[in-house]
Amino acid sequence: DTGVSQDPRHKITKRGQNVTFRCDPISEHNRLYWYRQTLGQGPEFLTYFQNEAQLEKSRLLSDRFSAERPKGSFSTLEIQRTEQGDSAMYLCASSSQGQGKRTFGSGTRLTVV
Amino acid sequence: QQQVKQSPQSLIVQKGGISIINCAYENTAFDYFPWYQQFPGKGPALLIAIRPDVSEKKEGRFTISFNKSAKQFSLHIMDSQPGDSATYFCAANGGNTGKLIFGQGTTLQVKP
Repeated sequence: DTGVSQDPRHKITKRGQNVTFRCDPISEHNRLYWYRQTLGQGPEFLTYFQNEAQLEKSRLLSDRFSAERPKGSFSTLEIQRTEQGDSAMYLCASSSQGQGKRTFGSGTRLTVV
Repeated sequence: QQQVKQSPQSLIVQKGGISIINCAYENTAFDYFPWYQQFPGKGPALLIAIRPDVSEKKEGRFTISFNKSAKQFSLHIMDSQPGDSATYFCAANGGNTGKLIFGQGTTLQVKP
């Protein structure tokens, strides 16, 4: 069990650019979640997958955001035409179906300048 | 109805003291209530969790007290240590959703 891995750890991008983050969950976990956390706030749910199916999306996930989990293993989160308000920590978590415990990665900190 | 309200926002406790953090929820469909601990630059890590069929759960120095009728739950950290200094989040989940709703967080500082 190597934990949940996220890449990159930090990303600085110019406003208007596209960015993509990757998450590798714990291998036996079939559920994968994306959260966004801003300074001084709790994580906010964005979306989650069960295997390769995206089962739920938050209203926070605008048209500029898209997430995929093509083979039910790793996942990517893409933000198109980044805005300064997108600056945040993007957290990935995974769990087994039927288990409440989510294991979080260390996150990708995005700064839009 | 989807919110989880957490208090206090910050807490300072002397080493050896008891730290108490409270949370309240509205949605009666919630059936899983975890507490997470987060250090700067790290993701949240699960501390302890409870389901509403019990009123208390204890793991080491950490205890969750759960009051279903009041829709409130709290985290008690006994014999608080400087290494416990971190941000703590309560959360709630339930029904057929994968959405874990987090409170706003409590920053705990344990003074030596």
